Amino acid sequence: GAGVSQTPSNKVTEKGKYVELRCDPISGHTALYWYRQSLGQGPEFLIYFQGTGAADDSGLPNDRFFAVRPEGSVSTLKIQRTERGDSAVYLCASSPRNTGELFFGEGSRLTVL
Amino acid sequence: KQEVTQIPAALSVPEGENLVLNCSFTDSAIYNLQWFRQDPGKGLTSLLLIQSSQREQTSGRLNASLDKSSGRSTLYIAASQPGDSATYLCAVILSGGSNYKLTFGKGTLLTVNP
Repeated sequence: GAGVSQTPSNKVTEKGKYVELRCDPISGHTALYWYRQSLGQGPEFLIYFQGTGAADDSGLPNDRFFAVRPEGSVSTLKIQRTERGDSAVYLCASSPRNTGELFFGEGSRLTVL
Repeated sequence: KQEVTQIPAALSVPEGENLVLNCSFTDSAIYNLQWFRQDPGKGLTSLLLIQSSQREQTSGRLNASLDKSSGRSTLYIAASQPGDSATYLCAVILSGGSNYKLTFGKGTLLTVNP
């Protein structure tokens, strides 16, 4: 597709479970970002990849959160031992290198019961 | 730490009105500023991007201005339509870094009544 694709669009899980969220960026975009948006708030930065490496993971809230981008394209955000406070919409964005213009996907809505 | 504030938090106007949404940021050393639109349950759609060297950008009925020295931007929407109803988010990227990460405001929820 032409845009950023995120799956699943909705995920309901139980407290303590493991969750993976996937992001397929726009073809050719080298930069990839994960953001988290809670209800009534603006998106908050989690992690940034330039190519395969996590260039800035300063926004990850704790060590239960981890993200990978092994081949420099698709990225997976992994959340271990989910907590109710992790419930939010997780947004992925990609960008051509060094432009500072981000293109966002539709998001994955995570609900932890 | 960069902080972005958007005023008002919510705005309701009748169809056809011109309106202004406000955004302010605490650190004026920005790389660029972007305005996004978000429909309920959806992702973000980029509306306008203003580079730090620019004063304004226009797209159709939308005009965004940037006053970097005072830390302010406005989004002007002309002749509003019910289809403009959405949340409008302002975001900035700080200059001097290499990660181009956005810092967002909380948004303005706009309702345009027919």
